[in-house]
Amino acid sequence: EDQVTQSPEALRLQEGESSSLNCSYTVSGLRGLFWYRQDPGKGPEFLFTLYSAGEEKEKERLKATLTKKESFLHITAPKPEDSATYLCAVQDTGGFKTIFGAGTRLFVKA
Amino acid sequence: NAGVMQNPRHLVRRRGQEARLRCSPMKGHSHVYWYRQLPEEGLKFMVYLQKENIIDESGMPKERFSAEFPKEGPSILRIQQVVRGDSAAYFCASSPPGAGANEKLFFGSGTQLSVL
Repeated sequence: EDQVTQSPEALRLQEGESSSLNCSYTVSGLRGLFWYRQDPGKGPEFLFTLYSAGEEKEKERLKATLTKKESFLHITAPKPEDSATYLCAVQDTGGFKTIFGAGTRLFVKA
Repeated sequence: NAGVMQNPRHLVRRRGQEARLRCSPMKGHSHVYWYRQLPEEGLKFMVYLQKENIIDESGMPKERFSAEFPKEGPSILRIQQVVRGDSAAYFCASSPPGAGANEKLFFGSGTQLSVL
């Protein structure tokens, strides 16, 4: 069964303090790995799709990387507006549903 | 171009009543997904629909829950005889037609269901 585990559950950073969020996954065959951002009271917002090991994607202060077993979301010099829950998700080649992890709640203090 | 619209935003029901949650996908999108989210938990897949067809309902409870996406009108998630454990945020997402298109989901703001 497809599984996604994210760590840490929560992360508190000072503004400008870079760090990484981890996503470990298990799928029979990976169609894609996704990162979403979710703000309180809102639905998730798409950030990145990664398809194969070694692939990297960047957007502003965020960079996502992928290996055969895990993905990292690197946050460089975060700002308070980066505070949100970051969700990792996978889709396997055998179906069309996207399976989400429980998320990492990021708090960035000015 | 309006995003995914869900209504109501908040729904309060007493135990035993029915709850109907509505979702209008983005214009041009023909795939709809329903997810459920409990506090401190991730999104749990419930059902995937295309117009007039249920494609994957492997995440739907066998009893009391049903979903439809008619040819005209919004998708409906229906919960009959609600219980306190049904209290959660229910999110709808949509994606456009075409191979690979369902890899990127566009989410609505959710319906918060509270069962008294």
